[in-house]
Amino acid sequence: AQSVAQPEDQVNVAEGNPLTVKCTYSVSGNPYLFWYVQYPNRGLQFLLKYITGDNLVKGSYGFEAEFNKSQTSFHLKKPSALVSDSALYFCAVRDGGNTPLVFGKGTRLSVIA
Amino acid sequence: GAVVSQHPSRVICKSGTSVKIECRSLDFQATTMFWYRQFPKQSLMLMATSNEGSKATYEQGVEKDKFLINHASLTLSTLTVTSAHPEDSSFYICSARGGREAYEQYFGPGTRLTVT
Repeated sequence: AQSVAQPEDQVNVAEGNPLTVKCTYSVSGNPYLFWYVQYPNRGLQFLLKYITGDNLVKGSYGFEAEFNKSQTSFHLKKPSALVSDSALYFCAVRDGGNTPLVFGKGTRLSVIA
Repeated sequence: GAVVSQHPSRVICKSGTSVKIECRSLDFQATTMFWYRQFPKQSLMLMATSNEGSKATYEQGVEKDKFLINHASLTLSTLTVTSAHPEDSSFYICSARGGREAYEQYFGPGTRLTVT
């Protein structure tokens, strides 16, 4: 069975500083990895995904994530945080079959001006 | 492309009544649809998976007689919460897979259900 761990409930960062939101995963096959962002009372917005290819994936709004197979991690990063990045971030994984996405518990990012 | 809509976006109902939530894939055929539930400040919990024309597969602990899922066409799935109770109040999000990118899962905007 697949699973996702987001070890931090909350991440605080000053505006302009780099940010990292951590994610580790477990799947039996090849992982398909995703990051989504959720604003209050809204659905999920897709940020980026890793399916295959380069380990460094670039996505929307300046976010990127690095796939690390040996550490089974897929941390989300951004070089310079904005106050508007404050939201709830979810990491999700599925294996290569026709299985649904499984989500981590989410990490609340707070960017302070 | 790959837009998923949900209706209604918000609904308030009295305890004991039933509520139907619609999920539509607007510009692609959704061979598989998923229903998730999200409690306040918590993650998305998968409730069930449905394939067009087949019965839904429910996750452990989800009452199939309470949460009726119908996936009658390639563009429409419905979730009916029967005999709703206040503890059913939650944010329900549907997701659809299909279209050109077979591994992608596209999400609807969610439906906030409040049972009074």
